[in-house]
Amino acid sequence: NAGVTQTPKFRILKIGQSMTLQCTQDMNHNYMYWYRQDPGMGLKLIYYSVGAGITDKGEVPNGYNVSRSTTEDFPLRLELAAPSQTSVYFCASSLGQGRKLFFGSGTQLSVL
Amino acid sequence: GQQLNQSPQSMFIQEGEDVSMNCTSSSIFNTWLWYKQDPGEGPVLLIALYKAGELTSNGRLTAQFGITRKDSFLNISASIPSDVGIYFCAGQGSMNRDDKIIFGKGTRLHILP
Repeated sequence: NAGVTQTPKFRILKIGQSMTLQCTQDMNHNYMYWYRQDPGMGLKLIYYSVGAGITDKGEVPNGYNVSRSTTEDFPLRLELAAPSQTSVYFCASSLGQGRKLFFGSGTQLSVL
Repeated sequence: GQQLNQSPQSMFIQEGEDVSMNCTSSSIFNTWLWYKQDPGEGPVLLIALYKAGELTSNGRLTAQFGITRKDSFLNISASIPSDVGIYFCAGQGSMNRDDKIIFGKGTRLHILP
C-alpha cells in the first residue's frame, strides 16, 4: 500500500514564484490535512478537508490555497512564495475526525 | 486557542535507560495521541488514548491518558538506538468536526554513544 504520497520531496523557490505541492492517498480517507513543520515548533495546521469539495482553514492558512476535487487528491498551492514559507510540509489523511493520522514523508521547501 | 506543552524539549540518554516525557494542556482533551518522527520522514502513530486514566502499551512504549484529561505521559523502557527521533504528543478536544488535532512541539530523543 502506498498510503499518503507527497511530491516533490525537495524544492527551492525564488521569492514571488508559485508552486503546487501534490498529495494523494489511496486509503479512501475522507479527511485530509496539510501541516507545516518549522524547527522546534511542532506541526501547524494550514488547511484541511473533510471530503471532496469541502475545505477549511487551519491555524496558519495565509499565503496558501487548497482544493479537493477528488477524495484521493489534496494539492496545496503557494501563489507568491515568501521566505517565511520555508518549511517542511506534511500532508496527512484520516478516516475521520479524531482517528489515526497517516502522514506522507514530507516536502522540504526553501524560498530564497 | 488550545495549546500543548510538551517536555522535555530534548533528552540525551544512554542506551538501555528508560525515558519519560509528558504533555500538558490548560484545557481538556478527549483524545491523546503519541507520534514518532524519524529524520526525513513524516510522523507515525505510536499510541492512541481515548479514555481518561487509560494506560496502553505498544512493546517497550507505555502511554497514559491523565485522569484530569489535561495531560498525557509516554514512557520508553530500555531504550535502543532506533528510538532516536522526535516524539510528538497530539490532542483533540472533542469529536466535533471543527475540533482539529493539536500537536505539541516535540521531544527530541538522542542516545549517547
